[in-house]
Amino acid sequence: NAGVTQTPKFRVLKTGQSMTLLCAQDMNHEYMYWYRQDPGMGLRLIHYSVGEGTTAKGEVPDGYNVSRLKKQNFLLGLESAAPSQTSVYFCASSFLRTSGSRMETQYFGPGTRLLVL
Amino acid sequence: GNSVTQMEGPVTLSEEAFLTINCTYTATGYPSLFWYVQYPGEGLQLLLKATKADDKGSNKGFEATYRKETTSFHLEKGSVQVSDSAVYFCALSGQGAQKLVFGQGTRLTINP
Repeated sequence: NAGVTQTPKFRVLKTGQSMTLLCAQDMNHEYMYWYRQDPGMGLRLIHYSVGEGTTAKGEVPDGYNVSRLKKQNFLLGLESAAPSQTSVYFCASSFLRTSGSRMETQYFGPGTRLLVL
Repeated sequence: GNSVTQMEGPVTLSEEAFLTINCTYTATGYPSLFWYVQYPGEGLQLLLKATKADDKGSNKGFEATYRKETTSFHLEKGSVQVSDSAVYFCALSGQGAQKLVFGQGTRLTINP
């Protein structure tokens, strides 16, 4: 049981290049999330998904796109990378909240460090 | 909107010292509150949580009590170890929401 995995671990891009970050989870979780982590700012939600085929915007969605074609995978795309997108990106997943219960625990991947020159 | 404010870091302590990391929040209704820990080179892990007022979350010797009257969820540990060195994040989930709002994180270093 690998939990949440992220690919790649580290990447260097030039301004204007594109790339896709892959997140995979083997816990059969309905919810998946993409965050970015910047010094002094904690984690900020980019996009999230409440199930296969669905996506929604988070706090900082501009410049990113996502897709959830399979329940276990959540892809984060940068169509034209900018230096402001230099960050550490974390994926997380959680179960669907059942009626009457509170927020379910989010499980995080190890992160992808992205440097945009 | 919802927000979380954490004690500024970094925090450096000696082994066996008492730890407090302050966390206050702004939210409507009755949020759930969390502390996550990030060890060097790893993703975040849930440390503890509390889902209603006066609840106390605890794990690995850490404790935090949900104080609605002061809108706080301070993290405490009576005797820290070198292995507790990490970044600690306070977070909340708004009532009915499945999204987390994080504080800025507090880097803790414990010296032997």
